[in-house]
Amino acid sequence: GAVVSQHPSWVICKSGTSVKIECRSLDFQATTMFWYRQFPKQSLMLMATSNEGSKATYEQGVEKDKFLINHASLTLSTLTVTSAHPEDSSFYICSALSPPSNQPQHFGDGTRLSIL
Amino acid sequence: RKEVEQDPGPFNVPEGATVAFNCTYSNSASQSFFWYRQDCRKEPKLLMSVYSSGNEDGRFTAQLNRASQYISLLIRDSKLSDSATYLCVVPLGGSQGNLIFGKGTKLSVKP
Repeated sequence: GAVVSQHPSWVICKSGTSVKIECRSLDFQATTMFWYRQFPKQSLMLMATSNEGSKATYEQGVEKDKFLINHASLTLSTLTVTSAHPEDSSFYICSALSPPSNQPQHFGDGTRLSIL
Repeated sequence: RKEVEQDPGPFNVPEGATVAFNCTYSNSASQSFFWYRQDCRKEPKLLMSVYSSGNEDGRFTAQLNRASQYISLLIRDSKLSDSATYLCVVPLGGSQGNLIFGKGTKLSVKP
C-alpha cells in the first residue's frame, strides 16, 4: 500500500531554534499533503493543507509565518517550525492523499517535537 | 453538538470480550467515515472505512446510522493486541481533504 515517510521521528531542541520536518510519499505522487498536530490526550487537529506548487492553506488559528510549509515536489512537503517555543512541543503528523482521491489519507510516522 | 464525539474511555475489558464504541458526528453531508487505531506515541492507522450502512472485517464490525448521525465499532473476541486508542474520523464537507478526528476511545484488553 501507499507509504508516507516522515523525518525526523524525534526532535529535542532549545527554545528559539527552527525545526524542519519532512514528509515524503514513497511510492506515489501526492499533490496534496496535510499537516496535523496532536497534543497529549487530544485529538489530531489539522494545521494546514499543503498543495504542490502553490501556497499552503492554513486552518484558523495557525500562524502561517510560524509554521512554514513548502511543497516543492509531488513527493515532498516540509513543515518548518520557526523560532520554536515550549508551547510548540507536540506530536506533528503529516498525511497524503493517494490517487484516486476517494482513498483515505495515509499517515507518516509522526514527529515528536520537544522544545526545552 | 461537537463535530465528532466519541465515547469517553477508557474501556478495560478481559481477553475474549466483545466491546463496542460509539461515535456521533454533526456534519450531515459526510458520506464516508473511518475508524483509525492509534497506538501510544504512534501515527493513526486505518482500521476500517464505512461508506454505506456498515462494514465487517473479521472480528471488527462498523455500523453507520445516517439518520441518527451515529457510527459504531464492534470488536469481538478481544485480543491483547487490540489495546489502543480508537479514533472516529469524519471528512469535513464530504471531502477526503479535511479529516475531523474524534478524541479517541482508549481500549485496554487485560489477560
